Amino acid sequence: KNEVEQSPQNLTAQEGEFITINCSYSVGISALHWLQQHPGGGIVSLFMLSSGKKKHGRLIATINIQEKHSSLHITASHPRDSAVYICAVDGEGQFYFGTGTSLTVIP
Amino acid sequence: EAEVAQSPRYKITEKSQAVAFWCDPISGHATLYWYRQILGQGPELLVQFQDESVVDDSQLPKDRFSAERLKGVDSTLKIQPAELGDSAMYLCASSQGLIGELFFGEGSRLTVL
Repeated sequence: KNEVEQSPQNLTAQEGEFITINCSYSVGISALHWLQQHPGGGIVSLFMLSSGKKKHGRLIATINIQEKHSSLHITASHPRDSAVYICAVDGEGQFYFGTGTSLTVIP
Repeated sequence: EAEVAQSPRYKITEKSQAVAFWCDPISGHATLYWYRQILGQGPELLVQFQDESVVDDSQLPKDRFSAERLKGVDSTLKIQPAELGDSAMYLCASSQGLIGELFFGEGSRLTVL
């Protein structure tokens, strides 16, 4: 049973495209995190949100608590955005992680 | 900028040997996590500390893995004896409290031969 489901698993985009990554979860949560992991690298926290929408540069994250769904959007994608994007939820006393979405942005 | 420090970055060992990883969280962060991440999968929680106390170690294979955070600051994760299936990235993360933004270290990549 996966408490956190992400889609798509893999995504290839042309530079400049608008990208959406989706996350659905099945547990009650206090917060949802979007994380970025570059190949061979550590993990960086992009957003932590519990309601509404947050924006940082070209990245936008939204969450719908009623529908238990969140989306991560990247506007004007760039090759340096190529990474694995992981959705994680802080719920019921522990973290649950999605398996990640591997994004490749082609110049 | 404050960061979570981990060492070593890379470790290659033979099976049945002992291996240890160290993590120093961001100063003031009471909650510390050890995760294991196998290539292509999301992180899997091994152990969670709140200060020096273990909050959750239900997924820690206690026959070979141990973790401690004696003074509630830095932490050590030990594997003895290492097995082939332990090859993975071991990630340490910290947060100010039980609910808060996660900060990850660069990870320690273990290869067991």
